[in-house]
Amino acid sequence: GQNIDQPTEMTATEGAIVQINCTYQTSGFNGLFWYQQHAGEAPTFLSYNVLDGLEEKGRFSSFLSRSKGYSYLLLKELQMKDSASYLCAVPPPFSGGYNKLIFGAGTRLAVHP
Amino acid sequence: DVKVTQSSRYLVKRTGEKVFLECVQDMDHENMFWYRQDPGLGLRLIYFSYDVKMKEKGDIPEGYSVSREKKERFSLILESASTNQTSMYLCASSLRNTINTEAFFGQGTRLTVV
Repeated sequence: GQNIDQPTEMTATEGAIVQINCTYQTSGFNGLFWYQQHAGEAPTFLSYNVLDGLEEKGRFSSFLSRSKGYSYLLLKELQMKDSASYLCAVPPPFSGGYNKLIFGAGTRLAVHP
Repeated sequence: DVKVTQSSRYLVKRTGEKVFLECVQDMDHENMFWYRQDPGLGLRLIYFSYDVKMKEKGDIPEGYSVSREKKERFSLILESASTNQTSMYLCASSLRNTINTEAFFGQGTRLTVV
């Protein structure tokens, strides 16, 4: 089966850097997704990692270590609009092209002035 | 601009009622999904469909059924609503055959069963 763990809540200051961690256990790895969800809105795609290392996309970066079952999302130069929930998700093994996802409970980030 | 549209943002239904949640996507995606989102539990997959008239159970299908008569539309049916089905319901769609394809979500339907 799959198990995904994320911290429930985090707080940070505007302009700072925050790292949101995600650990997963899966019997077969097919990559890891990060989504952002503002309160009352739809989740939106942030990143997909399937190889080890850091992928940078503007202020947001995502890191993966397959051997450790670990990923993190790094948010730099935090802005108030980054206050949202961040969802870590992995496809279950043998899900083929069906793109099913197993989600963690999400990390609610509050950015303060 | 890609779009997944859910028919209602808020619904209040009585216990025992049959409830229909509708979802339409305009991206010609093969895959469509229904998730429910509860505090502390995250998104959990109820059902998904990878083609017209095709459906498969997700992790929590009990008490639900689905219908996909057209490619763009995926309906979630609560046969007899119960209070433990009070939740946020999210529809999503994605392309098939590429595992790294992002899913596009609708705005969600907050269902309250009283």
